[in-house]
Amino acid sequence: ETGVTQTPRHLVMGMTNKKSLKCEQHLGHNAMYWYKQSAKKPLELMFVYNFKEQTENNSVPSRFSPECPNSSHLFLHLHTLQPEDSALYLCASSQGLAGGINYEQYFGPGTRLTVT
Amino acid sequence: GNSVTQMEGPVTLSEEAFLTINCTYTATGYPSLFWYVQYPGEGLQLLLKATKADDKGSNKGFEATYRKETTSFHLEKGSVQVSDSAVYFCALSSNAGKSTFGDGTTLTVKP
Repeated sequence: ETGVTQTPRHLVMGMTNKKSLKCEQHLGHNAMYWYKQSAKKPLELMFVYNFKEQTENNSVPSRFSPECPNSSHLFLHLHTLQPEDSALYLCASSQGLAGGINYEQYFGPGTRLTVT
Repeated sequence: GNSVTQMEGPVTLSEEAFLTINCTYTATGYPSLFWYVQYPGEGLQLLLKATKADDKGSNKGFEATYRKETTSFHLEKGSVQVSDSAVYFCALSSNAGKSTFGDGTTLTVKP
């Protein structure tokens, strides 16, 4: 148990569906992240939020839409996905993003997404 | 920009063998260095960390020393177990906490 939960753990969706991934952290952290982990590829950082404000979007296609209503919750809204979007989506949190302080990240178990 | 290069896998060892997974980095400023482990079907977990030069991080028999002169943070364990089979990621954090991860090294330990 890392203190970061993700639901659902598995998701199968068609290319025309709309679904959402949810992440919740119980650690009192201020920064939250979405990563994509595909087989045989490096971990890809998608989005970063700090105190609910988006601080990074790594050129992610608009069919992925993040939402961070508060520092404890992070969503990833999905629509019109492609088969190549099938991957493990990992959420993480850290204490914050402060100059001069380098915090470790705590990861959830991930959502295994399959796009058919 | 920052980068992390770690030993390519997969690595296969027999139980009780000595493990080394090499990791070197490029970074500006004074990064913190981490090793994360990912067991099958799970997310990444922090294994150990070091926040300044010459620090040694250790946990569960694993250890790594922050070597600024060689920009390295190699992971070692004296005697691996089957339960250590996992993917290991070297990472650094600098410049307001953003992390850079290596590509991961898959370790398989056979009984």
